[in-house]
Amino acid sequence: GESVGLHLPTLSVQEGDNSIINCAYSNSASDYFIWYKQESGKGPQFIIDIRSNMDKRQGQRVTVLLNKTVKHLSLQIAATQPGDSAVYFCAGLGPTDKLIFGTGTRLQVFP
Amino acid sequence: EAQVTQNPRYLITVTGKKLTVTCSQNMNHEYMSWYRQDPGLGLRQIYYSMNVEVTDKGDVPEGYKVSRKEKRNFPLILESPSPNQTSLYFCASRDRATNEKLFFGSGTQLSVL
Repeated sequence: GESVGLHLPTLSVQEGDNSIINCAYSNSASDYFIWYKQESGKGPQFIIDIRSNMDKRQGQRVTVLLNKTVKHLSLQIAATQPGDSAVYFCAGLGPTDKLIFGTGTRLQVFP
Repeated sequence: EAQVTQNPRYLITVTGKKLTVTCSQNMNHEYMSWYRQDPGLGLRQIYYSMNVEVTDKGDVPEGYKVSRKEKRNFPLILESPSPNQTSLYFCASRDRATNEKLFFGSGTQLSVL
């Protein structure tokens, strides 16, 4: 069946370090992925997306890597800041045109 | 400002008392959807709508109703709420014709006593 999941429930990093958040998916038909950021008390916010015909896509301080061979997706945040503290989750677009969400990784940034 | 607006933000009710959570988007999006978010379970889709007067069940539709009489509005109706419907609810929309990015509202925290 279709599923999208995340590796670690919590990730703690020091301010200024790079963060890497991982996601695995089981649906080989998924050709589109999104990363969302959810701050406490707010709705999920779009960060970056990637299609399956790409291996890498960069935004401002964020990079998403897609490894279709092992069905793995990662979000890299450069120079992590306190404002990056949030829950991050990936979502993949399944064959029924429906987004399937992972459960999320909580990123904690320490000074 | 482009946004999805949900109301209310917080709601406490009792078992069996009908309630409606409203959702409105100002982006002229065709697709709208409702999700519930529970600890350890992630976002689960309740209902979605591809366009006006077109609605379909998501993964967890039991106990919920929706309607899509206008493009901008997509209310979620709980005819007889039960405690297991205590959850954080999100409405979302996207322009299905151009991209897959979902835009989310700020959420409605519902407690059913």
